[in-house]
Amino acid sequence: QKEVEQNSGPLSVPEGAIASLNCTYSDRGSQSFFWYRQYSGKSPELIMSIYSNGDKEDGRFTAQLNKASQYVSLLIRDSQPSDSATYLCAVLKGGNNRKLIWGLGTSLAVNP
Amino acid sequence: KAGVTQTPRYLIKTRGQQVTLSCSPISGHRSVSWYQQTPGQGLQFLFEYFSETQRNKGNFPGRFSGRQFSNSRSEMNVSTLELGDSALYLCASSLGGAGLNIQYFGAGTRLSVL
Repeated sequence: QKEVEQNSGPLSVPEGAIASLNCTYSDRGSQSFFWYRQYSGKSPELIMSIYSNGDKEDGRFTAQLNKASQYVSLLIRDSQPSDSATYLCAVLKGGNNRKLIWGLGTSLAVNP
Repeated sequence: KAGVTQTPRYLIKTRGQQVTLSCSPISGHRSVSWYQQTPGQGLQFLFEYFSETQRNKGNFPGRFSGRQFSNSRSEMNVSTLELGDSALYLCASSLGGAGLNIQYFGAGTRLSVL
């Protein structure tokens, strides 16, 4: 089992729809969770960070964290073609060796 | 404020050679992390440097090494290059330890080993 798992996709949604991206992790001691977006040929850029259970909203983006079920999700409302990218989930492991563990990413395609 | 700068952007090397990549973090950032990204393996953590000390290390062979200078600039070296080392190498900087603060990525160095 990978430490951080994401569906590779591609996830295809029509313009204006809600895109739902999911990420599960194995380390129960994980403390911080991040969503990055990576356009083809570019480097990852941070979209959201979340640290506590519940929802965190920023514009069209909402991150949801459920530590008991060990999953974190990202919702993109009113999806735009410019949202087409790979979305990477990153999890900060707990303990002494604190480092970010990355999922392989979910490819999202928003169709006009 | 300037972002994370990686040089060179592209490199072509042959098997057996060695290569050095450079990363200049955002001003004021003291932590630099290095990653290897390939289509099949995703982002793989190489190592993190903080205040000139390697603080974390991933599961890569000893051919991969790095260092950080007093101005927080970092270099990564790969010796005895193998075909499988072809990848995008990304550097990320943050204020403190990796993961304790948001990581900001450079544009990357694309290495091709022939």
